[in-house]
Amino acid sequence: ILNVEQSPQSLHVQEGDSTNFTCSFPSSNFYALHWYRWETAKSPKALFVMTLNGDEKKKGRISATLNTKEGYSYLYIKGSQPEDSATYLCAFNNAGNMLTFGGGTRLMVKP
Amino acid sequence: DADVTQTPRNRITKTGKRIMLECSQTKGHDRMYWYRQDPGLGLRLIYYSFDVKDINKGEISDGYSVSRQAQAKFSLSLESAIPNQTALYFCATSKVRTGGLEEQFFGPGTRLTVL
Repeated sequence: ILNVEQSPQSLHVQEGDSTNFTCSFPSSNFYALHWYRWETAKSPKALFVMTLNGDEKKKGRISATLNTKEGYSYLYIKGSQPEDSATYLCAFNNAGNMLTFGGGTRLMVKP
Repeated sequence: DADVTQTPRNRITKTGKRIMLECSQTKGHDRMYWYRQDPGLGLRLIYYSFDVKDINKGEISDGYSVSRQAQAKFSLSLESAIPNQTALYFCATSKVRTGGLEEQFFGPGTRLTVL
């Protein structure tokens, strides 16, 4: 069983704050790292897929970085808005092409 | 995502009952998955299928069985439900993209409560 950990488990921020959270994963047999956004009562939706060490991806106010040598990825949200409230899941994709999910970071943005 | 549907969306049942959760997809993907989600534990893989004749156990398959009736349909059964199978269950599909990466598309989830 692969160990994929996310921290913090939950986070409360004020509207306008910038925030970031972490996903750590095994540094061996790396193939890709996925980030998903999961809003309450909806299904998880893919945000980013990253494959190369040093990769940076950006979508609007959300960006992610990847360090495969030390086994971590950061997700950043600039100027959080209430609609960013969701659980953010990372998933480690090993060479066997299966995804192992972390426990998620639940973000709540207060207006 | 309306391309991946799950029925029922909510189910309350009693210990010992047999339950079937159904998943259908219109995405034309070969790969289908069943996960369960428990608070703080993320998504854990129960079973997966890479095509109609391929069924594989995931991390937590004990107490569950599956059937891949067609490319578009993948059912999960709890032969004799127990309370610790109370969870949110997700079906997902994927297609291997260029380079071998796969993005998974999730259904809306089935909330199962076993009393």
